[in-house]
Amino acid sequence: SQQGEEDPQALSIQEGENATMNCSYKTSINNLQWYRQNSGRGLVHLILIRSNEREKHSGRLRVTLDTSKKSSSLLITASRAADTASYFCASDMVDYKLSFGAGTTVTVRA
Amino acid sequence: DSGVTQTPKHLITATGQRVTLRCSPRSGDLSVYWYQQSLDQGLQFLIQYYNGEERAKGNILERFSAQQFPDLHSELNLSSLELGDSALYFCASSTRGQAGSYGYTFGSGTRLTVV
Repeated sequence: SQQGEEDPQALSIQEGENATMNCSYKTSINNLQWYRQNSGRGLVHLILIRSNEREKHSGRLRVTLDTSKKSSSLLITASRAADTASYFCASDMVDYKLSFGAGTTVTVRA
Repeated sequence: DSGVTQTPKHLITATGQRVTLRCSPRSGDLSVYWYQQSLDQGLQFLIQYYNGEERAKGNILERFSAQQFPDLHSELNLSSLELGDSALYFCASSTRGQAGSYGYTFGSGTRLTVV
């Protein structure tokens, strides 16, 4: 079973638009991470936000974390065709397990 | 290249067989994690090793076992294979037992097909 849920399951946007995806998790975490996966390939780490942080930026990425609601969001601004991929949140739990959500498939149309 | 090496990249085998997947972590990383990714189950955490010792266990079947060797490479052994074991198996590594600022580093995976 998975620790988290993500929504939406799929997202289709126009190049230049912003993409927002949400993640919820169930138990206490040390941090929450976001990964990108291009079709059938390995996961690439995007950004990590610690449990005592509320917001973090990295380039075109903005992550928020609300530990009271056990939720996080990932915003990708000014999307590009190269952002087409699946995005996963992963909760790094206090018992050393990294648990992934089901992922959001993002398609950026040219 | 992420620095985490997984071999083989593809594996096709018959039901009932046993296979071994290998992972070499990024240089300097002490922790190795194994994940299974299938269409119906998503990414499932299997097991974690830290500096040769088992650290955490997830949804790993009894038919599966793993170990981490003194040189820190790890092997995942899958036996009595069933059709449902067909999946992508990923290895990831981190410096210590938990993520530093840069998260976990994943290998490119082994695609196992059981026929």
